Amino acid sequence: SAVISQKPSRDICQRGTSLTIQCQVDSQVTMMFWYRQQPGQSLTLIATANQGSEATYESGFVIDKFPISRPNLTFSTLTVSNMSPEDSSIYLCSVVEGRDYGYTFGSGTRLTVV
Amino acid sequence: GQQVMQIPQYQHVQEGEDFTTYCNSSTTLSNIQWYKQRPGGHPVFLIQLVKSGEVKKQKRLTFQFGEAKKNSSLHITATQTTDVGTYFCAVKGGTYKYIFGTGTRLKVLA
Repeated sequence: SAVISQKPSRDICQRGTSLTIQCQVDSQVTMMFWYRQQPGQSLTLIATANQGSEATYESGFVIDKFPISRPNLTFSTLTVSNMSPEDSSIYLCSVVEGRDYGYTFGSGTRLTVV
Repeated sequence: GQQVMQIPQYQHVQEGEDFTTYCNSSTTLSNIQWYKQRPGGHPVFLIQLVKSGEVKKQKRLTFQFGEAKKNSSLHITATQTTDVGTYFCAVKGGTYKYIFGTGTRLKVLA
């Protein structure tokens, strides 16, 4: 299965700043997904990122707050903009290689906003 | 939006005891996936179930899809400390999009 390199693994950021998270996949994949996992909680889908088109955001998530880039089939970034303490979470990218496959996740970015 | 409930939320077992987590949906599912997330780790895909009444086994883990395709279970026989983690089911919310259940956190006491 695909191998995903996600960075940074963790960061502590000041409120009002932005952080860009990168995910690099070792193979070409059509769809990449960005999830958020608040401490002790389940995973919530932020958006689906397809190469060459605008990301599709889930209810409660907007492009101005979480801009996503997908310049090619192996790379994507998620930016958390104008951060507040409520954005403190683990952010995970994931890919799926086909209909009969599960997600492969990156190792996650643990973000703390102070 | 679609919600997927898992019970129990937490479970503490003695090593060697069995463990079961249940995943329930209000709608009929096309398929269901199960993931395991170790403490401090990321979710790892375990299995996908597609057919009504399907049962799949992976060593000490048994996965079952309900006859009505609205629920599923994961049963671990004779738990070991390596089974510690949170188990999530995930159901389809779109072609390749999945919605994760609330999760069951398992602790195994040695």
